[in-house]
Amino acid sequence: GAGVSQSPSNKVTEKGKDVELRCDPISGHTALYWYRQSLGQGLEFLIYFQGNSAPDKSGLPSDRFSAERTGGSVSTLTIQRTQQEDSAVYLCASRRSTDTQYFGPGTRLTVL
Amino acid sequence: GNSVTQMEGPVTLSEEAFLTINCTYTATGYPSLFWYVQYPGEGLQLLLKATKADDKGSNKGFEATYRKETTSFHLEKGSVQVSDSAVYFCARGDDTDKLIFGTGTRLQVFP
Repeated sequence: GAGVSQSPSNKVTEKGKDVELRCDPISGHTALYWYRQSLGQGLEFLIYFQGNSAPDKSGLPSDRFSAERTGGSVSTLTIQRTQQEDSAVYLCASRRSTDTQYFGPGTRLTVL
Repeated sequence: GNSVTQMEGPVTLSEEAFLTINCTYTATGYPSLFWYVQYPGEGLQLLLKATKADDKGSNKGFEATYRKETTSFHLEKGSVQVSDSAVYFCARGDDTDKLIFGTGTRLQVFP
């Protein structure tokens, strides 16, 4: 079946602009995660959604970052007033119950 | 700090050589352990996993054994191929199953 999809695959933006990154999880997967992969920080957790529970936002690096998950499916990660240090590959993963996390291809964000 | 530590790369090997990539973790209890692989230009893929002590995960000729005594989950393969060239990430799950990753180890295999 279809895997996790993310859009756009690449995003170039200017410092100070807002960006939205989209994740479509695998159908039926109740858990959704966002991670960030950057040269300086490696792979780090950002935020986690599980069903209708309040999201775990403990990994968000600043209040410029936010995410929502509508209808228990699609998720959008928003970065406001982007900074150059936000440049990274943003990865989304989804999981069904206690199964393994499956990752999408990522969105490469470049902030000029 | 990062609670998953893996050996730094790059690891450079000739085809058919034996591979070991070390990984140790810190955690309370017994978390699930994973190896993910990222081939050039591709996304993260699960390579293998182990969910309890003494379990051995295996896939594509790779193996890793969950050792609670040494808090380790070292990745091994008896005979690497050029197609195994990739970045390998060790990870552990936490209470919410979010993954905590090591820094990644780049493997380069030459013919």
